[in-house]
Amino acid sequence: QQPVQSPQAVILREGEDAVINCSSSKALYSVHWYRQKHGEAPVFLMILLKGGEQKGHEKISASFNEKKQQSSLYLTASQLSYSGTYFCGQLTGANNLFFGTGTRLTVIP
Amino acid sequence: DGGITQSPKYLFRKEGQNVTLSCEQNLNHDAMYWYRQDPGQGLRLIYYSQIVNDFQKGDIAEGYSVSREKKESFPLTVTSAQKNPTAFYLCASSIPHPLAKVNYGYTFGSGTRLTVV
Repeated sequence: QQPVQSPQAVILREGEDAVINCSSSKALYSVHWYRQKHGEAPVFLMILLKGGEQKGHEKISASFNEKKQQSSLYLTASQLSYSGTYFCGQLTGANNLFFGTGTRLTVIP
Repeated sequence: DGGITQSPKYLFRKEGQNVTLSCEQNLNHDAMYWYRQDPGQGLRLIYYSQIVNDFQKGDIAEGYSVSREKKESFPLTVTSAQKNPTAFYLCASSIPHPLAKVNYGYTFGSGTRLTVV
């Protein structure tokens, strides 16, 4: 079963913040986050390896709660370039990525 | 520059036809993957290969076949048994993370959009 992401879609004005959540019913070994622009390939953002780990890249950061089998992506002071669909990917024991349902983020001026 | 090349970008298939999607990488990655994406939906795993001459079925392998004779190449054949093949197909590759027993971030190709006519 796919990891479930929430919200399914969100619209922000430039400068606003957003949180995207990803939860799974399966045991997690690590979590990936990707962003996909319309009609393009997904681009890797970051990987979280351990429960409790947090990472950040500029104004995008993420956390991973292994016990709750959840991860969250935080976008602060959003920019127009942040628009796209965000996917979490959860690694299973077979070392394959199982992608979430996706969250469409639209940033408007 | 290193990367993954998928071809063709657009492909049209007639009913009952087999078609092959090409995926070539020059990143020296061991692991390669095929995903299918339907409009407005996430990515679903078709097949994956962690090493040359070995591959495994993913969640939706029925109607598809692959081969992995070379490290650089992982072609996907969509057979006539796949009843609803219209979708966006993405090939990806990865390497083991340097600090953990998991694979690092995936690099994706630009995709092939397959349409049944």
